[in-house]
Amino acid sequence: QVQLVESGGGVVQPGGSLRLSCVVSGFAFSSNAMYWVRQAPGKGLEWVAFIRYDGTSKLYIDSVNGRFTISRDNSKSTLYLEMNSLRVEDTAIYYCVKDRYFFDYWGQGTLVTVSS
Amino acid sequence: EIVMTQSPATLSVSPGERATFSCRASQSVRSNLAWYQQKPGQAPRLLIYGASTRATGIPARFSGSGSGTEFTLTISSLQSEDFAVYYCQQYNDWPRDTFGQGTKLEI
Repeated sequence: QVQLVESGGGVVQPGGSLRLSCVVSGFAFSSNAMYWVRQAPGKGLEWVAFIRYDGTSKLYIDSVNGRFTISRDNSKSTLYLEMNSLRVEDTAIYYCVKDRYFFDYWGQGTLVTVSS
Repeated sequence: EIVMTQSPATLSVSPGERATFSCRASQSVRSNLAWYQQKPGQAPRLLIYGASTRATGIPARFSGSGSGTEFTLTISSLQSEDFAVYYCQQYNDWPRDTFGQGTKLEI
């Protein structure tokens, strides 16, 4: 049974930092690319960061490039998202997503709220 | 960036009726198109990939069609559990996938 379990969300002030984690099980994590996808309150879906199965290639949307860092530890089957210089507009549910070109498995999400 | 446009924004249909969703791409995405269902408070769930292939466990009342720039998701006979928001996604430009803005299916 495939499971993706995110953690690390919370309330942070503008300019602050958070580190999200996603522990996965039920599939060969080290063989799969992964994404972080976010959804602002009442809004649609937007991928934020992508990482290749071996971590050698990463991609970010423009609005987070230089502020967010995606990484992975294949020995721990864990995906990370380091978020710095957070802005109010980063407020969203962040989902850890397994890539198969399309997104076949999603975590339950973790809420990040950026507010003063 | 490939822009995905869904219509209508809201679809009002009665249980037992057919629901049809549209998704248009700003340029050809071939058949690299997926559909997702999202219920309130839940993560999205994959319904269709490859424009017309149902994901594991998805009922046969869900079907997808189209290629190039025009795509359709059809629910043949609506059940109460089908009322949700539906998103299309292109992955032809992988890994720079893009989503449509969603269509809300309501009673």
